[in-house]
Amino acid sequence: QQQVKQSPQSLIVQKGGIPIINCAYENTAFDYFPWYQQFPGKGPALLIAIRPDVSEKKEGRFTISFNKSAKQFSLHIMDSQPGDSATYFCAASYTGNQFYFGTGTSLTVIP
Amino acid sequence: GAVVSQHPSWVICKSGTSVKIECRSLDFQATTMFWYRQFPKQSLMLMATSNEGSKATYEQGVEKDKFLINHASLTLSTLTVTSAHPEDSSFYICSASSVAGDEQFFGPGTRLTVL
Repeated sequence: QQQVKQSPQSLIVQKGGIPIINCAYENTAFDYFPWYQQFPGKGPALLIAIRPDVSEKKEGRFTISFNKSAKQFSLHIMDSQPGDSATYFCAASYTGNQFYFGTGTSLTVIP
Repeated sequence: GAVVSQHPSWVICKSGTSVKIECRSLDFQATTMFWYRQFPKQSLMLMATSNEGSKATYEQGVEKDKFLINHASLTLSTLTVTSAHPEDSSFYICSASSVAGDEQFFGPGTRLTVL
C-alpha cells in the first residue's frame, strides 16, 4: 500500500511559472513532511520540510502548503528556472522512523 | 547541512562476485542509517534500517543473506551485495539521521552494474 501518493508524475512549465506538486497521506501519525530534489545520478537533497503544526512554510522560492484536515501537502516553486528541472519527491515520517516516499514528479522548466 | 558520502560512486562487477558499498556521515554521528534502492525513473525503495551496534532491520522481500549490512560505528555503515547478479544492478543510496532528529541526509548514491 502506497503510504504517500504524489501527483503529477511529470510536469512541464515555462521559465517563471509556478509548478505545484501535490502529495496525500493516510497515516495521521506522520509528523514530518520533507521534500527532496534529485538530479539524475545523484542522491536526493532536502529542499524544505514542514510539521503539521503550521499550514505553510517558505524558504526562498520554495513553499510548502499543508492541509492537516485533508491530509495533503504541496510544494510550490516560485519563479521557476531551468536549473530547477529535476525529480521531486515528497515524504512523510513519524519521529525517528523510516520515511515513506512518494512516487516522484519529473519537472521540466522550459527556458 | 550534514554531509553523507558513499564509496564507490559507481562499480562494475562480474556476476557471482561480491561488492561492498560504504556510507559515511562526515560531520555528525548517525545513530540510524538507511539503505535504499532506486530503479530508473522510480522512487526510492527502502531496503533496510540499521542502528549502530545492532542488526539491521530488513524490509519485506529483501534478502538479508544477499544484502549484508553492517553499522559498526556512528559514522560508517556498509552494504555488501553478495554473489551479485545482473538483476541486482541498480542505484543504491544510503541516508543517515542523527540522534536529534527527523531529517535524513542522503549520500550521492552508488551505481552498481553487474555483468
